[in-house]
Amino acid sequence: GENVEQHPSTLSVQEGDSAVIKCTYSDSASNYFPWYKQELGKRPQLIIDIRSNVGEKKDQRIAVTLNKTAKHFSLHITETQPEDSAVYFCAPKTGTASKLTFGTGTRLQVTL
Amino acid sequence: DGGITQSPKYLFRKEGQNVTLSCEQNLNHDAMYWYRQDPGQGLRLIYYSQIVNDFQKGDIAEGYSVSREKKESFPLTVTSAQKNPTAFYLCASSKSNSGGNSYEQYFGPGTRLTVT
Repeated sequence: GENVEQHPSTLSVQEGDSAVIKCTYSDSASNYFPWYKQELGKRPQLIIDIRSNVGEKKDQRIAVTLNKTAKHFSLHITETQPEDSAVYFCAPKTGTASKLTFGTGTRLQVTL
Repeated sequence: DGGITQSPKYLFRKEGQNVTLSCEQNLNHDAMYWYRQDPGQGLRLIYYSQIVNDFQKGDIAEGYSVSREKKESFPLTVTSAQKNPTAFYLCASSKSNSGGNSYEQYFGPGTRLTVT
């Protein structure tokens, strides 16, 4: 099955700084690359995703970049705000089934 | 946040008892999933179903069972064979995988199960 790793496991940044979280995966057939955000005590929610035919996608302060050759994709958050504090999960999809494989998560803390 | 519900929010059981967690969705999604989340860990897939009357094992299916008799419902039974059942259980649903459709999974609020 797919082997997914996220780095770093924890990340602390000052408000206004940028944050980058990297996700590596093992299956070269992976074709869909989402990032989910889970605030404390809440359910995970999709914040951005990218497909294998695209290298980068941006949505306001967040962006995802994909390097299929190296089998990794990254979440970029600019101008971080306290409400960005949460756990972020990558969850690449492989093959024709709809299931995702979640990484172990990155806890982002944005300090004032 | 609406569209997919789980009940109850908290559940307490004695060791050796089976317990069934409810998951219902009104999003008209074909696919449904059950995950287990332990402190400091990611979401691990227990079972998933891509269509009514069909389901597949995920990465940690041992000690669990599911059924998918209706499109809207995907209950999970935690059996006495599950060695460490205490965890946070999340249900999710998504559109079916049919060429170009979104694979976004919508999550329920979760059920926190404690077995003593």
